[in-house]
Amino acid sequence: GAVVSQHPSWVICKSGTSVKIECRSLDFQATTMFWYRQFPKQSLMLMATSNEGSKATYEQGVEKDKFLINHASLTLSTLTVTSAHPEDSSFYICSASVVIHRDIAYEQYFGPGTRLTVT
Amino acid sequence: QQQVKQSPQSLIVQKGGISIINCAYENTAFDYFPWYQQFPGKGPALLIAIRPDVSEKKEGRFTISFNKSAKQFSLHIMDSQPGDSATYFCAAYIVLEYGNKLVFGAGTILRVKS
Repeated sequence: GAVVSQHPSWVICKSGTSVKIECRSLDFQATTMFWYRQFPKQSLMLMATSNEGSKATYEQGVEKDKFLINHASLTLSTLTVTSAHPEDSSFYICSASVVIHRDIAYEQYFGPGTRLTVT
Repeated sequence: QQQVKQSPQSLIVQKGGISIINCAYENTAFDYFPWYQQFPGKGPALLIAIRPDVSEKKEGRFTISFNKSAKQFSLHIMDSQPGDSATYFCAAYIVLEYGNKLVFGAGTILRVKS
Protein backbone atom coordinates (compact mmCIF):
# COMPACT_ATOMS: atom_id res chain seq x y z
CA GLY A 1 0.00 0.00 0.00
CA ALA A 2 0.82 3.72 -0.03
CA VAL A 3 2.28 3.85 -3.52
CA VAL A 4 3.06 7.15 -5.19
CA SER A 5 3.89 7.35 -8.87
CA GLN A 6 5.40 10.11 -10.96
CA HIS A 7 5.28 10.70 -14.67
CA PRO A 8 7.46 11.08 -16.57
CA SER A 9 10.45 9.49 -14.88
CA TRP A 10 12.76 11.65 -16.96
CA VAL A 11 12.29 14.49 -19.42
CA ILE A 12 14.52 16.60 -21.60
CA CYS A 13 13.21 19.93 -22.78
CA LYS A 14 14.55 22.98 -24.53
CA SER A 15 15.20 26.23 -22.75
CA GLY A 16 12.11 28.45 -22.72
CA THR A 17 9.57 25.66 -22.92
CA SER A 18 7.31 24.40 -20.14
CA VAL A 19 7.16 20.91 -18.76
CA LYS A 20 4.53 19.24 -16.59
CA ILE A 21 5.23 16.53 -14.02
CA GLU A 22 2.42 14.43 -12.58
CA CYS A 23 2.28 12.89 -9.13
CA ARG A 24 -0.35 10.31 -8.30
CA SER A 25 -1.24 8.43 -5.15
CA LEU A 26 -2.24 5.04 -6.49
CA ASP A 27 -3.91 3.28 -3.58
CA PHE A 28 -4.89 6.05 -1.20
CA GLN A 29 -6.35 9.52 -1.23
CA ALA A 30 -3.79 12.17 -0.38
CA THR A 31 -5.03 15.19 1.48
CA THR A 32 -1.64 16.84 1.14
CA MET A 33 1.05 16.55 -1.50
CA PHE A 34 4.54 17.95 -1.38
CA TRP A 35 7.05 18.84 -4.08
CA TYR A 36 10.77 18.61 -3.47
CA ARG A 37 13.81 19.40 -5.52
CA GLN A 38 17.09 17.56 -5.17
CA PHE A 39 20.40 18.49 -6.76
CA PRO A 40 23.12 15.85 -7.18
CA LYS A 41 24.59 14.67 -3.89
CA GLN A 42 22.39 17.07 -1.96
CA SER A 43 19.41 16.76 0.31
CA LEU A 44 15.76 17.24 -0.53
CA MET A 45 14.55 20.80 -0.47
CA LEU A 46 10.83 21.39 -0.03
CA MET A 47 9.46 23.60 -2.77
CA ALA A 48 5.77 23.70 -1.92
CA THR A 49 2.92 22.06 -0.10
CA SER A 50 -0.45 21.59 -1.74
CA ASN A 51 -3.80 20.60 -0.34
CA GLU A 52 -6.55 19.31 -2.58
CA GLY A 53 -8.70 22.11 -3.92
CA SER A 54 -6.66 24.97 -2.52
CA LYS A 55 -3.66 27.02 -3.54
CA ALA A 56 -0.22 25.67 -2.89
CA THR A 57 1.98 27.13 -0.18
CA TYR A 58 5.45 27.84 -1.49
CA GLU A 59 8.65 27.85 0.51
CA GLN A 60 10.64 31.02 0.75
CA GLY A 61 12.69 31.62 -2.37
CA VAL A 62 10.58 29.42 -4.65
CA GLU A 63 9.01 31.34 -7.52
CA LYS A 64 5.33 30.50 -7.59
CA ASP A 65 4.90 31.86 -11.12
CA LYS A 66 7.66 29.62 -12.37
CA PHE A 67 6.69 26.44 -10.56
CA LEU A 68 2.95 26.08 -10.96
CA ILE A 69 1.33 23.50 -8.73
CA ASN A 70 -2.16 22.14 -9.15
CA HIS A 71 -3.77 19.65 -6.78
CA ALA A 72 -7.01 19.02 -8.60
CA SER A 73 -8.02 15.81 -6.88
CA LEU A 74 -7.14 13.67 -3.89
CA THR A 75 -4.96 11.45 -6.07
CA LEU A 76 -3.27 13.88 -8.46
CA SER A 77 -0.97 16.84 -8.17
CA THR A 78 0.96 18.42 -11.02
CA LEU A 79 4.06 20.58 -11.10
CA THR A 80 4.59 22.70 -14.20
CA VAL A 81 7.98 24.27 -14.71
CA THR A 82 7.31 27.28 -16.91
CA SER A 83 9.88 28.82 -19.22
CA ALA A 84 12.45 26.30 -18.10
CA HIS A 85 16.13 27.19 -18.06
CA PRO A 86 19.21 25.01 -17.64
CA GLU A 87 19.45 25.96 -13.95
CA ASP A 88 16.04 24.31 -13.43
CA SER A 89 17.60 20.96 -14.31
CA SER A 90 17.20 18.82 -11.23
CA PHE A 91 15.54 15.77 -9.71
CA TYR A 92 11.97 16.59 -8.72
CA ILE A 93 10.30 14.36 -6.16
CA CYS A 94 6.75 14.45 -4.90
CA SER A 95 5.32 12.95 -1.77
CA ALA A 96 1.84 12.43 -0.43
CA SER A 97 0.36 12.14 3.02
CA VAL A 98 -3.05 11.30 4.32
CA VAL A 99 -4.71 12.20 7.58
CA ILE A 100 -6.35 9.19 9.14
CA HIS A 101 -5.06 9.59 12.63
CA ARG A 102 -2.15 11.41 14.15
CA ASP A 103 0.46 8.78 13.30
CA ILE A 104 -0.47 8.49 9.64
CA ALA A 105 -0.50 12.26 9.22
CA TYR A 106 3.23 12.27 9.78
CA GLU A 107 4.06 9.74 7.12
CA GLN A 108 5.02 11.00 3.71
CA TYR A 109 5.14 8.48 0.89
CA PHE A 110 7.55 9.49 -1.82
CA GLY A 111 7.34 9.05 -5.55
CA PRO A 112 10.27 7.71 -7.59
CA GLY A 113 11.26 11.16 -8.83
CA THR A 114 11.48 12.88 -12.21
CA ARG A 115 14.81 13.82 -13.73
CA LEU A 116 14.45 17.10 -15.64
CA THR A 117 17.18 18.20 -18.01
CA VAL A 118 16.84 21.57 -19.71
CA THR A 119 19.09 22.09 -22.73
CA GLN B 1 15.57 27.20 13.72
CA GLN B 2 14.30 24.68 11.17
CA GLN B 3 17.49 22.73 10.68
CA VAL B 4 18.56 19.18 11.22
CA LYS B 5 22.32 18.60 11.27
CA GLN B 6 23.49 15.20 10.07
CA SER B 7 26.88 13.51 10.29
CA PRO B 8 29.01 12.03 8.93
CA GLN B 9 28.75 13.10 5.31
CA SER B 10 29.98 9.69 4.20
CA LEU B 11 30.70 6.40 5.87
CA ILE B 12 32.48 3.21 4.87
CA VAL B 13 31.73 0.07 6.87
CA GLN B 14 32.83 -3.51 6.47
CA LYS B 15 30.18 -6.13 5.79
CA GLY B 16 28.77 -7.32 9.09
CA GLY B 17 29.75 -4.16 10.92
CA ILE B 18 27.59 -1.50 12.54
CA SER B 19 26.79 1.70 10.68
CA ILE B 20 26.00 4.71 12.85
CA ILE B 21 24.61 8.00 11.57
CA ASN B 22 23.90 10.92 13.86
CA CYS B 23 21.51 13.85 13.71
CA ALA B 24 20.89 16.86 15.92
CA TYR B 25 18.25 19.56 16.04
CA GLU B 26 17.48 22.75 17.95
CA ASN B 27 13.78 23.34 17.53
CA THR B 28 11.75 21.58 20.22
CA ALA B 29 8.66 21.93 18.04
CA PHE B 30 9.88 18.98 15.98
CA ASP B 31 7.82 16.02 17.15
CA TYR B 32 8.43 13.10 14.82
CA PHE B 33 11.72 11.84 13.46
CA PRO B 34 11.84 9.51 10.44
CA TRP B 35 14.84 8.09 8.62
CA TYR B 36 14.82 7.62 4.87
CA GLN B 37 16.95 5.47 2.57
CA GLN B 38 17.57 6.61 -0.99
CA PHE B 39 19.20 4.71 -3.83
CA PRO B 40 20.61 6.60 -6.82
CA GLY B 41 17.90 7.84 -9.17
CA LYS B 42 15.09 6.81 -6.83
CA GLY B 43 12.84 8.56 -4.37
CA PRO B 44 13.50 8.19 -0.65
CA ALA B 45 11.85 5.32 1.20
CA LEU B 46 10.86 5.39 4.85
CA LEU B 47 13.05 3.11 6.96
CA ILE B 48 12.01 3.71 10.53
CA ALA B 49 10.64 6.58 12.60
CA ILE B 50 10.39 7.56 16.24
CA ARG B 51 8.49 9.95 18.48
CA PRO B 52 10.35 12.05 21.09
CA ASP B 53 8.65 10.28 23.99
CA VAL B 54 10.46 7.03 23.08
CA SER B 55 14.19 6.55 23.63
CA GLU B 56 14.72 3.65 21.26
CA LYS B 57 12.94 1.88 18.45
CA LYS B 58 14.11 -1.24 16.69
CA GLU B 59 12.92 -2.75 13.45
CA GLY B 60 14.95 -5.66 12.21
CA ARG B 61 18.55 -4.54 11.75
CA PHE B 62 17.64 -0.86 12.08
CA THR B 63 17.52 0.93 15.43
CA ILE B 64 16.85 4.57 16.24
CA SER B 65 18.24 5.93 19.49
CA PHE B 66 16.70 9.18 20.67
CA ASN B 67 18.04 11.56 23.32
CA LYS B 68 15.43 14.22 23.91
CA SER B 69 17.45 16.27 26.40
CA ALA B 70 20.43 16.43 24.06
CA LYS B 71 18.19 16.91 21.01
CA GLN B 72 20.02 14.17 19.20
CA PHE B 73 19.01 10.99 17.48
CA SER B 74 20.89 8.33 15.60
CA LEU B 75 20.39 5.43 13.25
CA HIS B 76 22.22 2.18 13.86
CA ILE B 77 22.36 -0.44 11.13
CA MET B 78 23.44 -3.76 12.57
CA ASP B 79 25.13 -6.45 10.48
CA SER B 80 25.53 -4.00 7.61
CA GLN B 81 25.27 -5.54 4.14
CA PRO B 82 26.44 -4.36 0.71
CA GLY B 83 22.76 -3.94 -0.20
CA ASP B 84 22.52 -1.28 2.52
CA SER B 85 24.85 0.95 0.49
CA ALA B 86 22.72 4.04 -0.15
CA THR B 87 22.21 7.60 1.03
CA TYR B 88 20.46 7.96 4.37
CA PHE B 89 18.56 11.04 5.44
CA CYS B 90 17.30 11.87 8.88
CA ALA B 91 14.31 14.17 9.03
CA ALA B 92 12.15 15.96 11.52
CA TYR B 93 8.50 16.80 11.31
CA ILE B 94 7.07 20.14 12.35
CA VAL B 95 3.57 21.54 12.36
CA LEU B 96 3.50 25.12 11.13
CA GLU B 97 0.76 27.71 10.79
CA TYR B 98 0.42 27.05 7.09
CA GLY B 99 0.82 23.29 7.23
CA ASN B 100 3.07 20.43 8.15
CA LYS B 101 6.63 20.04 6.98
CA LEU B 102 9.48 17.53 6.92
CA VAL B 103 12.93 19.03 7.35
CA PHE B 104 15.73 16.84 6.03
CA GLY B 105 19.31 16.46 7.13
CA ALA B 106 22.07 16.78 4.55
CA GLY B 107 22.37 13.04 4.04
CA THR B 108 25.01 10.37 4.65
CA ILE B 109 26.41 8.27 1.85
CA LEU B 110 26.94 4.78 3.23
CA ARG B 111 29.13 2.25 1.50
CA VAL B 112 29.33 -1.27 2.87
CA LYS B 113 32.40 -3.14 1.68
CA SER B 114 32.05 -6.86 1.08
